[in-house]
Amino acid sequence: DIQMTQSPSSLSASVGDRVTITCQASQDISTFLNWYQQKPGTAPNLLIYDASNLQGGVPSRFTGSGSGTHFSLTITSLRPEDVATYYCQQYDNLPPTFGQGTKLEIK
Amino acid sequence: QLQLQESGPRLVKPSETLSLVCTVSGGSITSSSNFWAWIRQPPGKGPEWIGGIHRGGSIYYNPSLKSRVTISIDTSKNQYSLKLTSVSAADTALYYCARPSGHSYASPLDYWGQGSLVTVSS
Repeated sequence: DIQMTQSPSSLSASVGDRVTITCQASQDISTFLNWYQQKPGTAPNLLIYDASNLQGGVPSRFTGSGSGTHFSLTITSLRPEDVATYYCQQYDNLPPTFGQGTKLEIK
Repeated sequence: QLQLQESGPRLVKPSETLSLVCTVSGGSITSSSNFWAWIRQPPGKGPEWIGGIHRGGSIYYNPSLKSRVTISIDTSKNQYSLKLTSVSAADTALYYCARPSGHSYASPLDYWGQGSLVTVSS
């Protein structure tokens, strides 16, 4: 299975900050990379697919980039409602695999 | 608006079989997607993809669970189901049904059920 490693595992930032979460794949996955946001008590929600494409209805302050083995998710101006755990997921190879998550909190 | 809802027992004894059903509403299970999937999430951990089924019946299971998992589809009821045999405490998790949005089992998951917490305990 392809291993997905996220960093940091947790992050505290202020409202308005620019926040970046990174994800590294154990092998080349091209751009077959998704990002999900999971708020407490709810199911994961698809934010970005194919590394950089914004899912419908997702605010434009979320951006994704990367290819190959290194990827990032950036929130350009953090808002209180962005408090959540964020997961990357590869789907280049079966089975699809997720990162361990990055928990984002507000200072 | 497509909706998915998991149902089934919330408490299962060790060595027994976990059974869950996902009911799809707001659209036909045969026309709303080519594929349907099950994912689980142990408490405090990241999600794990269990397996997926094509509307025509072909199936892919995660090799880590393949020997214990069965996924099936009932198009007449707009449902698909999950069975996991010989469960242990390690199978305690939130179980989600979800829809792969594209043309493979592994496509991005754009609709999810609310999740069903299944606890394995005697």
